[in-house]
Amino acid sequence: GQSLEQPSEVTAVEGAIVQINCTYQTSGFYGLSWYQQHDGGAPTFLSYNALDGLEETGRFSSFLSRSDSYGYLLLQELQMKDSASYFCAVRTEGLFVFGPGTRLSVLP
Amino acid sequence: EPEVTQTPSHQVTQMGQEVILRCVPISNHLYFYWYRQILGQKVEFLVSFYNNEISEKSEIFDDQFSVERPDGSNFTLKIRSTKLEDSAMYFCASSLPAEGMYLNYGYTFGSGTRLTVV
Repeated sequence: GQSLEQPSEVTAVEGAIVQINCTYQTSGFYGLSWYQQHDGGAPTFLSYNALDGLEETGRFSSFLSRSDSYGYLLLQELQMKDSASYFCAVRTEGLFVFGPGTRLSVLP
Repeated sequence: EPEVTQTPSHQVTQMGQEVILRCVPISNHLYFYWYRQILGQKVEFLVSFYNNEISEKSEIFDDQFSVERPDGSNFTLKIRSTKLEDSAMYFCASSLPAEGMYLNYGYTFGSGTRLTVV
């Protein structure tokens, strides 16, 4: 079966750094992705990690540890527009299975 | 930037009626997907489609559901006899083939069709 866990909510202030964790148990693992979804909008692709380590893309970084079945999304210099839900998604052989999502609220 | 287009944006239907949700994937993408999201919940996989056939489907995708690529651009999801619990946002997505396991472009999602079954 497939199981992904994320915190349901995270709150932080503008300018801060926040880390959203994801642990997974899946039958088959190719990589871990992160998606951002604003209220009423579609998920948008942020990053993909297939190998252990940190991948940086601007203010966002994503980390993977395959041996720990764990990854995280790191958001730096938080802005109000970063308030959204963030989903981790495991790529199995054919497709992505999404986690339950973490709702990030950025306060002024 | 290329987009995945979904129509209609909102569909209201009576229980037991058939609905067809339409999607136009990005033109050079080869893989197509339908996901759904019940309000406030996670994004759930329904079906993937490649080379004119279903490549994978979930337990949600039962005999009431079908997909079709009737021409070179459209990708449709049909629900034969809608139930109240089918009310959800339905997202179409498309992707390029992944370059092995190390490079993946991710999915491009459409903006969704909100289906309300009454």
